[in-house]
Amino acid sequence: EVQLVESGGGLVQPGGSLRLSCAASGFTFSSYWMSWVRQVPVKGLEWVANIKKDGSEKYYVDSVKGRFTISRDNVKNSLYLQMNGLRGEDTAVYYCARVDRVWAFDMWGQGTMVTVSS
Amino acid sequence: DIQMTQSPSSLSASVGDRVTITCQASQDISNYLNWYQQKPGKAPKLLIYDASNLETGVPSRFSGSGSGTDFTLTISSLQPEDIATYYCQRYDNLPWTFGQGTKVEIK
Repeated sequence: EVQLVESGGGLVQPGGSLRLSCAASGFTFSSYWMSWVRQVPVKGLEWVANIKKDGSEKYYVDSVKGRFTISRDNVKNSLYLQMNGLRGEDTAVYYCARVDRVWAFDMWGQGTMVTVSS
Repeated sequence: DIQMTQSPSSLSASVGDRVTITCQASQDISNYLNWYQQKPGKAPKLLIYDASNLETGVPSRFSGSGSGTDFTLTISSLQPEDIATYYCQRYDNLPWTFGQGTKVEIK
């Protein structure tokens, strides 16, 4: 089955760290750019980060630059998001998404909730 | 950053109605626009890419049009399963951004 499954979300205090994982299956993971997209509960969507097929290029939204790091392991078919210096405004559902050849998010995981609160 | 403004923010229509959602970019983005459908409690789903191309498996009652700054998503005949929030998303340059969403309900 073609799917993306996120894990690693939870409750963390402001200033804390969390590492999200996304396990891919059913397709050739190394052939696709991948992204993280987040959604504040009952609100809109925000693109967070992109990573190239081989991991050689990474891009971030300004609000997470210097705090979040996207990475991937093409042997383990996995995508990661290391989040440091977490803030209340980072509270959201985090989705991993596959980027297709026309730069659309054509596959999404089910999402993992990250709550930053004391 | 280029801003994406969707309208209306919500709408209520009857089954069988033609529904139109608009998305306006603050600058010319050519046809670098996608549309997504998100049902409650679910992840978004790609409907339309490159402004007017229907994603495989998406019903033909969905269509997209526009280029430059003004774009439209049309549902030709609203069905009960179309109840969802719809988002546009630009990808001309980073950061990719989404519209604020349009919630579609049945009257």
